[in-house]
Amino acid sequence: DQQVKQNSPSLSVQEGRISILNCDYTNSMFDYFLWYKKYPAEGPTFLISISSIKDKNEDGRFTVFLNKSAKHLSLHIVPSQPGDSAVYFCAALSNTGNQFYFGTGTSLTVIP
Amino acid sequence: DAGVTQSPTHLIKTRGQQVTLRCSPISGHKSVSWYQQVLGQGPQFIFQYYEKEERGRGNFPDRFSARQFPNYSSELNVNALLLGDSALYLCASSSSGGITGELFFGEGSRLTVL
Repeated sequence: DQQVKQNSPSLSVQEGRISILNCDYTNSMFDYFLWYKKYPAEGPTFLISISSIKDKNEDGRFTVFLNKSAKHLSLHIVPSQPGDSAVYFCAALSNTGNQFYFGTGTSLTVIP
Repeated sequence: DAGVTQSPTHLIKTRGQQVTLRCSPISGHKSVSWYQQVLGQGPQFIFQYYEKEERGRGNFPDRFSARQFPNYSSELNVNALLLGDSALYLCASSSSGGITGELFFGEGSRLTVL
């Protein structure tokens, strides 16, 4: 049962434009969300997180938005750079658990 | 500071064999988690250990076992390997047992079962 879903397997964006990656979840007990970036042959690296008490968190070019009523979060990258090309995973943590639930990932390609 | 280190990076086994994967967490981190990532999927939680005690277990069969040592390093064991066990096995460490912060991942151990 996939509790965290990333319905877009891939996304291509021109350099300098905005990249928007989407993630949906089904478990209303999730209260902490993270985005990870993964390059080939490397482990995922933490990018940005958001707690359910917020609806937005910003860190430089990266902003995560959380819509709890829709059980939806998104990652905005502005401006996109070729080095941002990677697979992006969203992950969620339940307030009762100790494991992260990951989505299936979105492969972002930023075209120079 | 060294990040999370895993060994071996790649290995090939045949069905029915057993495998042991090793992980050293970031210095000062007491929690280690193991995840399985099958091609095209996101990481799936297998185990979490904190202070040498199992804190959580995902939906994996008893063929999967793990332990954490006094120096907080960890081993993941898989017995009676199946073709479907072929995956990237990721180890992640965190500073707290409750995982209130982010996980720091190693590069993974790529297991191929023939």
